[in-house]
Amino acid sequence: DIQMTQSPSSLSASVGDRVTITCRASQDIYNFLAWYQQKPGKLPQLLIYNAASLQSGVPSRFSGSGSGTDFTLTISSLQPEDVATYYCQKYNSGPFTFGPGTKVDVK
Amino acid sequence: EVQLLESGGGLVQPGGSLRLSCTASGFSFSHYAMTWVRQAPGKGLEWVSGISGGGESKFYADSVKGRFTISRDNSENTLFLEINSLRADDTAVYYCAKVKIYAASGAMDVWGQGITVTVSS
Repeated sequence: DIQMTQSPSSLSASVGDRVTITCRASQDIYNFLAWYQQKPGKLPQLLIYNAASLQSGVPSRFSGSGSGTDFTLTISSLQPEDVATYYCQKYNSGPFTFGPGTKVDVK
Repeated sequence: EVQLLESGGGLVQPGGSLRLSCTASGFSFSHYAMTWVRQAPGKGLEWVSGISGGGESKFYADSVKGRFTISRDNSENTLFLEINSLRADDTAVYYCAKVKIYAASGAMDVWGQGITVTVSS
């Protein structure tokens, strides 16, 4: 099965900072990758699908890029409400595995 | 409004069984794949199982294969997860989620509130 890794596992940044999270697949998954945000005590929310498509209603400061095995989620200007854990998920073929998550805090 | 409502969770002894249900409303249920995702206390998201819109394709995580069975009743807009041979490490909040497309190979855009399954003697 394809394994998903994320880096870093956690980060702390200031409001207004540009934040980048990386997701890596152990094999080529083309662009079959999604990013989710889970705020503390809340449901997961879809941010990005097909590696770079912004889900309706998601602020434009979130963006995704990449294809093949290396992917990036970028928050262009970190806001206090972005404190959350971010997960990537691959869905090119089953099983549709999540990455281990990246916890984002605001300094 | 698109809604997903899970039911059927609870406290179960090791080796026991449960049937989780997820009732959908606000969208054409049979047009979309559905999935189950779980989250153990203090842990990350774990994809469990997915099923295509018509039910013809089913997928399972290795950790649940042979013990869990996913199914759906499109006439009742309901998704199911039959869980057998429960183990302590199955303890988690179980979410049902709608996939953006008919095939199970898609991102999940709507999530239920989750239902707790606790496996303990």
